Amino acid sequence: QKEVEQNSGPLSVPEGAIASLNCTYSDRGSQSFFWYRQYSGKSPELIMFIYSNGDKEDGRFTAQLNKASQYVSLLIRDSQPSDSATYLCAVLRGGADGLTFGKGTHLIIQP
Amino acid sequence: DAGITQSPRHKVTETGTPVTLRCHQTENHRYMYWYRQDPGHGLRLIHYSYGVKDTDKGEVSDGYSVSRSKTEDFLLTLESATSSQTSVYFCAISSYQGATNEKLFFGSGTQLSVL
Repeated sequence: QKEVEQNSGPLSVPEGAIASLNCTYSDRGSQSFFWYRQYSGKSPELIMFIYSNGDKEDGRFTAQLNKASQYVSLLIRDSQPSDSATYLCAVLRGGADGLTFGKGTHLIIQP
Repeated sequence: DAGITQSPRHKVTETGTPVTLRCHQTENHRYMYWYRQDPGHGLRLIHYSYGVKDTDKGEVSDGYSVSRSKTEDFLLTLESATSSQTSVYFCAISSYQGATNEKLFFGSGTQLSVL
């Protein structure tokens, strides 16, 4: 079983709508959860992290965590064409031995 | 890219040749990581370092070795490159101060092609 699962997409969302990206993880001991954005040919860029159950908001982005369901999501409000990218979900199981990444969801915002 | 420089940015080599990729940071972070990214597999951890001369294996370490002689430099070596090691390699750094305060920052990547 893959440790971090994401739907690869592409997920197509009209401009101005809410984009919803989902991620599930298998290790119940995972402590922190991250969303990275990666444009084609570029390196991953950290946009959100969360470690407590509930919602965390930062501008147009909201991360949601449900540890009981082992589920993390990212909402992007008022989606813009510049949000078109691959979004990577990652988890930290504990310690400094690196993050485990999902394969990413390709998001397309249609003008 | 958070004071991280990877070199070279692109490299083409032949099967069986040794290859060394370099990651240099100016943030004085203790932790450094090498990941590879492949279509269909996502980012996978190769090796990481938690201090000078302190390294450990990641998920896909076979065929790779690393060295860290200074805080700022983390080298990844392919002793005898194979076509399966054609990939994009990313270095990442972290100051790690606990699970609730962890942030990993990535370098620009190295595109390696093994022919």
